[in-house]
Amino acid sequence: VVMTQSPSSLPVTLGQPASISCRSSQSLVHSDGNTYLHWFQQRPGQSPRRLIYQVSNWDSGVPDRFSGSGSGTDFTLKISRVEAEDVGVYYCMQGTHWPYTFGQGTNLEIK
Amino acid sequence: EVQLVQSEVEVKKPGESLKIACKASGYSFTDYWIGWVRQMSGKGLEWMGIIYPGDSDTRYAPFFQGQVTISVDKSISTTYLQLTSLQASDTAMYYCARPYSSGPWGQGTLVTGSS
Repeated sequence: VVMTQSPSSLPVTLGQPASISCRSSQSLVHSDGNTYLHWFQQRPGQSPRRLIYQVSNWDSGVPDRFSGSGSGTDFTLKISRVEAEDVGVYYCMQGTHWPYTFGQGTNLEIK
Repeated sequence: EVQLVQSEVEVKKPGESLKIACKASGYSFTDYWIGWVRQMSGKGLEWMGIIYPGDSDTRYAPFFQGQVTISVDKSISTTYLQLTSLQASDTAMYYCARPYSSGPWGQGTLVTGSS
């Protein structure tokens, strides 16, 4: 399954919203009825960290300014107000069809 | 607290083999799938394979099938990634992570092929 993110680069002013799109080459609805689309953040020099699982659920400790939405093949990660600590690369990942695959990443930077 | 601690940086010559370790703590090791993700320099993330430590059931991504071996030692809660006949193209950061659970990834092991 090919995951395509846009944009590849996202310059954002502090305090402004940001949005990242992720599209899959086939439906991510699993036979069990769940949709295994997750979002990860990788800050510079750090390991990736999962932010959102199964489209719209927050992982522990994730600020509620992050939100996920979508269905089927189209998904979105939104940040309501970007903060300095949000700088990094964001990846979507599908966990429905093996091998699980990531998008190519979106590099969020501060303007 | 869940922790995944990986072995340190490795510098190998082309043709050599390498085994990277990932020691888990803070949870029941045999109850959760764990796997390996490759990140080549400046590039994205790729799942290489995953293993269920309870019974060593293993799944490999087609691209990595036959190129790597994933194993576990339940007695020390450790997962291994073995790379055989290293090539310069194997130069990358390798992470261990649990594919179906929240919690931290390993800190990464940088593998460099050097002649």
